[in-house]
Amino acid sequence: AQRVTQPEKLLSVFKGAPVELKCNYSYSGSPELFWYVQYSRQRLQLLLRHISRESIKGFTADLNKGETSFHLKKPFAQEEDSAMYYCALSSGSARQLTFGSGTQLTVLP
Amino acid sequence: DVKVTQSSRYLVKRTGEKVFLECVQDMDHENMFWYRQDPGLGLRLIYFSYDVKMKEKGDIPEGYSVSREKKERFSLILESASTNQTSMYLCASSSPLQAGELFFGEGSRLTVL
Repeated sequence: AQRVTQPEKLLSVFKGAPVELKCNYSYSGSPELFWYVQYSRQRLQLLLRHISRESIKGFTADLNKGETSFHLKKPFAQEEDSAMYYCALSSGSARQLTFGSGTQLTVLP
Repeated sequence: DVKVTQSSRYLVKRTGEKVFLECVQDMDHENMFWYRQDPGLGLRLIYFSYDVKMKEKGDIPEGYSVSREKKERFSLILESASTNQTSMYLCASSSPLQAGELFFGEGSRLTVL
């Protein structure tokens, strides 16, 4: 069975500092991985997906199959990045998502 | 913009009551999902549907059922609510053409007393 692990429940960094949110997965097939974000009082939304190798709002994430990781990184954190971040893996008949437990990121001024 | 609408934002029910949570999407998506969101546990999949009248159990289906009579509507039913079902419930939809890209509703916060 697939599993997604986010080891940090809470993460605080200062504005302008680099930030890395960790995500590890276990899955027997070829993984499709995503990062979702939920800002305060907003609905959960897709931030980025590994397959498109894009940078969204300055965030990037690289799939490392050897380490089974998909860490989310940003070189210079901004206060508006404060949010709950979820890593997710897609599988199954409807490509349903298995989510990690989430990391609450706080960017301090 | 895809819109997923959950009819009730906040509900308070008593133990043993039957609870209906309704979700409607306007993008003609085939797939619809119900998750519950709990602090420290993330999102857990309750049920999903990939077509009208089709449903499949997710990871935590016990105590829940679903109904999908029309493509745009997916209902979550708690036959007899219990206190451990107090949670935030999130509905989502997706297209098979955009695998893994889920569009979420705002959520329904259910409190069972």
